[in-house]
Amino acid sequence: QMQMLESGPGLVKPSETLSLTCTVSGVSIDTGGYYWAWIRQPPGKGLEWIGRIFYRGTTDYHPSLMSRLTISRETSKNQFSLKLRSVTDADTAVYYCARSNEGYYGSGSYGLWGRGTVVTVSS
Amino acid sequence: DIQMTQSPSSLSASVGDRVTITCRASQDISIYVSWYQQKPGKAPNLLIYAASNLEGGVPSRFRGSGSGTDFTLTISSLQPEDFATYYCQESRDTLFTFGPGTTVDLK
Repeated sequence: QMQMLESGPGLVKPSETLSLTCTVSGVSIDTGGYYWAWIRQPPGKGLEWIGRIFYRGTTDYHPSLMSRLTISRETSKNQFSLKLRSVTDADTAVYYCARSNEGYYGSGSYGLWGRGTVVTVSS
Repeated sequence: DIQMTQSPSSLSASVGDRVTITCRASQDISIYVSWYQQKPGKAPNLLIYAASNLEGGVPSRFRGSGSGTDFTLTISSLQPEDFATYYCQESRDTLFTFGPGTTVDLK
């Protein structure tokens, strides 16, 4: 069964780096056609797409986060990761990892999600 | 940037009701729209992709329609497990902007 699980510190100090890892099971992140993404949800608010990494390793980032963001992958561990630098309290959110669907129209939709991890930015 | 709006922001309905949620894009996005359901404390669940395609395992009472700038999610007969927040999301550009959500609660 395909599963995704986020892990990382639940508390990060302002100006430091938020680092999260998504561990994928049941499917290889090398499998052709899929994008692997990070999406977040501030408390009581809506969803914000952060960025994605393609199975080939190329990345796309939200322009508002691009200067602070790195998404990478470690295929040997079937994991992909997020690093967000210089965080502020505006980065407090539930962070989800997700996998896109396949295909021309499906690749922009996310049919498989992790359960999410709460990250609080506070001193 | 493409902006996504949803209406209404919330609605109250009863089991068995037909429910319609509207999503509008600020520019033509063809059929690059998905719909998600989210329950409190849970990850979103994909219902519809490419405007009208039902995701596998999703009940057929959910239907998506529309193209261009105006899209609709219809629940034909609301079930107890359908009380949740619903989000549309565009994928015409690589911002993948979500709408602000529509909360469906019990009348």
